[in-house]
Amino acid sequence: AQSVSQHNHHVILSEAASLELGCNYSYGGTVNLFWYVQYPGQHLQLLLKYFSGDPLVKGIKGFEAEFIKSKFSFNLRKPSVQWSDTAEYFCAVNEGLTGGGNKLTFGTGTQLKVEL
Amino acid sequence: DTGVSQDPRHKITKRGQNVTFRCDPISEHNRLYWYRQTLGQGPEFLTYFQNEAQLEKSRLLSDRFSAERPKGSFSTLEIQRTEQGDSAMYLCASRQSTSGIDTQYFGPGTRLTVL
Repeated sequence: AQSVSQHNHHVILSEAASLELGCNYSYGGTVNLFWYVQYPGQHLQLLLKYFSGDPLVKGIKGFEAEFIKSKFSFNLRKPSVQWSDTAEYFCAVNEGLTGGGNKLTFGTGTQLKVEL
Repeated sequence: DTGVSQDPRHKITKRGQNVTFRCDPISEHNRLYWYRQTLGQGPEFLTYFQNEAQLEKSRLLSDRFSAERPKGSFSTLEIQRTEQGDSAMYLCASRQSTSGIDTQYFGPGTRLTVL
């Protein structure tokens, strides 16, 4: 069975600080990797995804993530956070080749608070 | 707005009562998923449909839970004889399986509180 670990449960940063959220998964086969974000009072939204190709993927709002297969990691980064990035961030994985896969397995989430 | 919608957004019920939630997926999305999210946890998979066929159920889905998608469009999730442990956010997601991009789009969720 797959599992996803997010080691940072709560992160507090000042505006303009750099962000890196860790995500590790356990599954030996081909995976698709996702980062979702949930802003206060809103539903889960996709930030970015990785299926194949360039392991550095860019998403919305200046976020990027790097897939390191040897480390089973898919860390999320942003060079300079804004107050509006305050949200909960979830890493997720599903099995399968590009376009395949079914259910998502999520990490426990990281609550990010950005202070002015 | 053509996103995933869920109804009701909030439900408070007494232990032992039955509840039913509805999910309307994005039009023409033939895959529909149900997840449950408890406080401090990420969403956990419950079940999914391709069109009207229920293809997989999690062990989290006890006999008190049943889901349907009778015409391959909207779906319902029913919980019978609710227990306090059923209190959670129930999320619905949909995707178009023929798309090369395996992205699930989530609805706002139904928050269930069992007293």
